[in-house]
Amino acid sequence: RKEVEQDPGPFNVPEGATVAFNCTYSNSASQSFFWYRQDCRKEPKLLMSVYSSGNEDGRFTAQLNRASQYISLLIRDSKLSDSATYLCVVNIPGGFKTIFGAGTRLFVKA
Amino acid sequence: NAGVTQTPKFRVLKTGQSMTLLCAQDMNHEYMYWYRQDPGMGLRLIHYSVGEGTTAKGEVPDGYNVSRLKKQNFLLGLESAAPSQTSVYFCASRALGREVKTQYFGPGTRLLVL
Repeated sequence: RKEVEQDPGPFNVPEGATVAFNCTYSNSASQSFFWYRQDCRKEPKLLMSVYSSGNEDGRFTAQLNRASQYISLLIRDSKLSDSATYLCVVNIPGGFKTIFGAGTRLFVKA
Repeated sequence: NAGVTQTPKFRVLKTGQSMTLLCAQDMNHEYMYWYRQDPGMGLRLIHYSVGEGTTAKGEVPDGYNVSRLKKQNFLLGLESAAPSQTSVYFCASRALGREVKTQYFGPGTRLLVL
C-alpha cells in the first residue's frame, strides 16, 4: 500500500461546480497535512494546511479524518483558473521528510 | 528575494555523462530537499539536508550524490547518467522548526538522458 494515495482523476467539471478530492494515508502517527497545487510544468505551491478541526480559505475547505486516515479538499464555485493538479502531502513523524501523493488532476471547463 | 532558484532549467545528457544541478535559496532555511517527479508518480525524495555540512538519503538515492557546503546551496550530482534518470528535478527548502512547515520549491530542472 502506498503511504499516500489519491485518485488520479482527471476530474472534468463545469465552471461553478463543486468538486471534492480525497486522500488516504497509511501512517497513523502522521501529524501534519497539506494540500499543494501544481500547474502544468510548474513547481508545487502550498494551497493550504489541513487542521484537525477543518479549515476554510475562501472557496476551499480542507478536512481531516484521523480515524479513517484521510484528508479531503472541497472546491466550491470552480473557476477556470482552478485547473491544476492537487497534491496531498503528509509528514513523516519524527523526521524531516514529507510524502507527496501522485496528485489529482482537475480540469474546469467553461 | 528570489526564493528558491535552480540551474540549469533544462539539460540533455548522453548515457554515462555527469552533471551537477544547483539549488540556491535566499530565505536562510535550514532544510533543503531534492525530489524527482515522473509521470503518474508523486514527488520522490532523493536526498535531503538538515543543515550546512549534513546530508541524508531519501527514498530514491541510488545514482545521485549531494553536497551542502554552504547553507544557501544544495548540489545534486549525477556521476554517470542513465536513461532512468530522465525526470523533472525539484529542489525545495523550509524553515527550521519542530512543526513541519511549508516547503518552498524551485522552478525545476528538466533532464533528458539519451
